[in-house]
Amino acid sequence: EPEVTQTPSHQVTQMGQEVILRCVPISNHLYFYWYRQILGQKVEFLVSFYNNEISEKSEIFDDQFSVERPDGSNFTLKIRSTKLEDSAMYFCASIEQANQPQHFGDGTRLSIL
Amino acid sequence: GQNIDQPTEMTATEGAIVQINCTYQTSGFNGLFWYQQHAGEAPTFLSYNVLDGLEEKGRFSSFLSRSKGYSYLLLKELQMKDSASYLCAVPIYNQGGKLIFGQGTELSVKP
Repeated sequence: EPEVTQTPSHQVTQMGQEVILRCVPISNHLYFYWYRQILGQKVEFLVSFYNNEISEKSEIFDDQFSVERPDGSNFTLKIRSTKLEDSAMYFCASIEQANQPQHFGDGTRLSIL
Repeated sequence: GQNIDQPTEMTATEGAIVQINCTYQTSGFNGLFWYQQHAGEAPTFLSYNVLDGLEEKGRFSSFLSRSKGYSYLLLKELQMKDSASYLCAVPIYNQGGKLIFGQGTELSVKP
């Protein structure tokens, strides 16, 4: 069964540095999402992406965050200047069309020191 | 706005049946998902209800009452591997299809 893949599985970065989290959604999927989950807390929506543009973003997704689909297969989340509170699991998800269950990647554990 | 409530934790015995409840308040409704999440792992899809009633899938069933804003996940013949967090989530299709998650119910299955 096709899967959403994410790299790296774990990223450790100094505060203030830029990080790029990578995702390869399932190939025929059209809708892409990033979520984050701070340890012990609920899964929170960050941003949705469709037709090469952001369709919705949360209050968390401020100017420090950006997403890109650079080559038709990868879907990246960039955090420009990381803060301690950015430490979390970041999950990528995708669906082919609305009302289908979102398929999640295994996540990237981001640790900011 | 949207709000989803679930119990924080539950404990049950191996072989038993457990019911995990979820209540929701959303502006518009397009169905409700249940996901399972083991510690340190990604959520995995369990069920999707869009109409009232019970959907059965093996040991897991999910129920929806739209008039009451209520759903439950029923797990039968509990196994130790069912120890996990169970997440209730509602999609918001006029906002990019994003999922709004409850805080999850941590289920511990004891021998």
